[in-house]
Amino acid sequence: AQSVTQLDSQVPVFEEAPVELRCNYSSSVSVYLFWYVQYPNQGLQLLLKYLSGSTLVKGINGFEAEFNKSQTSFHLRKPSVHISDTAEYFCAVSDRDGGFKTIFGAGTRLFVKA
Amino acid sequence: EAGVAQSPRYKIIEKRQSVAFWCNPISGHATLYWYQQILGQGPKLLIQFQNNGVVDDSQLPKDRFSAERLKGVDSTLKIQPAKLEDSAVYLCASSLGQRVTNEKLFFGSGTQLSVL
Repeated sequence: AQSVTQLDSQVPVFEEAPVELRCNYSSSVSVYLFWYVQYPNQGLQLLLKYLSGSTLVKGINGFEAEFNKSQTSFHLRKPSVHISDTAEYFCAVSDRDGGFKTIFGAGTRLFVKA
Repeated sequence: EAGVAQSPRYKIIEKRQSVAFWCNPISGHATLYWYQQILGQGPKLLIQFQNNGVVDDSQLPKDRFSAERLKGVDSTLKIQPAKLEDSAVYLCASSLGQRVTNEKLFFGSGTQLSVL
């Protein structure tokens, strides 16, 4: 069965600094990977997704993520964060064995300080 | 395009009472999901509909939770009777898919339930 582990529950960072939010998954078959963002008092929205092809995926708002099959990771990165990036970030996985259900990690709260 | 609509936004009830949540997905979206998000955790899938049929309800506590999607559009999720541990945000999401495939999910803002 697939599962998702987000290694950091909170990540504080200064504005304009780079950030990496870590995500590891477990699955025995080919996977589809997602990052969603939840701004305060809003619903989740898709940042980016990996389905196949290039392992480096670019998303909205300057975020990117790299799929690493050997390390079963899908870390999210941004070279320079803004105050407005403060939000909760969720890594998610789905695969054929799981009936394409989307399984979410526990989330990482990114807090950008001035 | 209009997003996924949910109501109410907040609900406070006492344990053993009943509560219902409503969701209107994006027009034309065949697949509808209900997720439960407990504070500090990621969303957990409760039930998934494809049109008006249930695709997956393996994690729905069927002794107290029920959901329906009449006519393949709107959906309601009901809890009867509620327990303290049901306090959570209930998220509705929809996706376009005519088949059950991985797809981008569109989420509503959720209903925050507090059970006292």
